[in-house]
Amino acid sequence: QKEVEQDPGPLSVPEGAIVSLNCTYSNSAFQYFMWYRQYSRKGPELLMYTYSSGNKEDGRFTAQVDKSSKYISLFIRDSQPSDSATYLCAMSVGYSGGSNYKLTFGKGTLLTVNP
Amino acid sequence: DAGITQSPRHKVTETGTPVTLRCHQTENHRYMYWYRQDPGHGLRLIHYSYGVKDTDKGEVSDGYSVSRSKTEDFLLTLESATSSQTSVYFCAISDYRKGYTEAFFGQGTRLTVV
Repeated sequence: QKEVEQDPGPLSVPEGAIVSLNCTYSNSAFQYFMWYRQYSRKGPELLMYTYSSGNKEDGRFTAQVDKSSKYISLFIRDSQPSDSATYLCAMSVGYSGGSNYKLTFGKGTLLTVNP
Repeated sequence: DAGITQSPRHKVTETGTPVTLRCHQTENHRYMYWYRQDPGHGLRLIHYSYGVKDTDKGEVSDGYSVSRSKTEDFLLTLESATSSQTSVYFCAISDYRKGYTEAFFGQGTRLTVV
């Protein structure tokens, strides 16, 4: 079983839809959870991060972490064509120690928002 | 934008030749990473470094070596390039910030092995 599983999609939605993106993981030591957005032919960029369980909201984006289920989600409200990109979840253990900061990524979900 | 420069941006090379990709940062971040990204596989860690001369293997390290002789440079070498190493390679940097790791990525190097 891979440490992080993410449905690669592709996912196609109409403009204005609510989008739900998800990842599951197997390593219970993960404490820091991130979502990256990658536009075509560009490097990934950090969109949101959360620590441990709970919700975090930033504008149209909401990140949720359920550590008991080892499940994280990213919701996009009122989706826009400019949200079309690949979304990658990432996780790290995060406490001190050389290798604990490294990120483990999901495969990414390709999202297209149609006008 | 974080100061990360990858070179070259594009390269075509022949099977069996050695290839070196360079990542240069101006952020003085401690951690540096090399990833490859392929359709169907996503982003996979090749090698990473947590300090000068401190490196470790990632999940797909076979056929690759790295060196980091100073904070700002992290080199990835394909010892004898094969067609399976055709990919887009991303360098990333990060540092400890309030207990989490935010990675900043370079623009990528598109490598084709013919």
